[in-house]
Amino acid sequence: EIVMTQSPATLSVSPGERATLSCRASQSVNSNLAWYQQKPGQAPRLLIYGASTRATGIPARFSGSGSGTEFTLTISSLQSEDLAVYYCQQYNNWPPFTFGGGTKVEIK
Amino acid sequence: EVQLVESGGGLVQPGGSLRLSCLASGFTFSSYGMNWVRQAPGLGLEWVSHISGSGSTKYYADSVKGRFTIARDNAENSLYLQMKYLRAEDTAVYYCARGGPRIDYWGQGTLVTVSS
Repeated sequence: EIVMTQSPATLSVSPGERATLSCRASQSVNSNLAWYQQKPGQAPRLLIYGASTRATGIPARFSGSGSGTEFTLTISSLQSEDLAVYYCQQYNNWPPFTFGGGTKVEIK
Repeated sequence: EVQLVESGGGLVQPGGSLRLSCLASGFTFSSYGMNWVRQAPGLGLEWVSHISGSGSTKYYADSVKGRFTIARDNAENSLYLQMKYLRAEDTAVYYCARGGPRIDYWGQGTLVTVSS
């Protein structure tokens, strides 16, 4: 089973500033990585797939990069509505699908 | 518009059973694999089970293997999860989610609480 590790656990960022979230896989997942946003009390929403492709309707301030074992989600200019927990998930070697533990983004 | 609506959650005693349902709309249901993913209170996401579009292939997390059964009815655009021998650690919000390998749409979830 591929283990996904996210860092940091919590990130506090001022509005308008850049937020950088990291995700590491225990072995290569190529580019088969997705990022999800989960706002308080809501279901997860797909942000990025294929490591760097934005899903339909996702604002351009969200971008993904990386391949193999190291991945990054960047929010270029944080908005108040971006308060959420962000999860990475690999779908290269499944089952099982495996998720990272999440990064909570707080507004400073 | 893709919609996934779960139902069937509730309070059940340890050792009991429960059947979850997910009604899908807005897409050709039989063309997509479907999943159940759960989230224990205050914790992260855990994949539970996957079923292929035809229903011929099923996968389970080790934590539920032998206790949970996934099924689908393509004529009714519905996904199911039969849960037996429930344990306290099965307490979670259960989400129906479309996809495989990539999961792209999620329902709003249904809460299952296992407690005496």
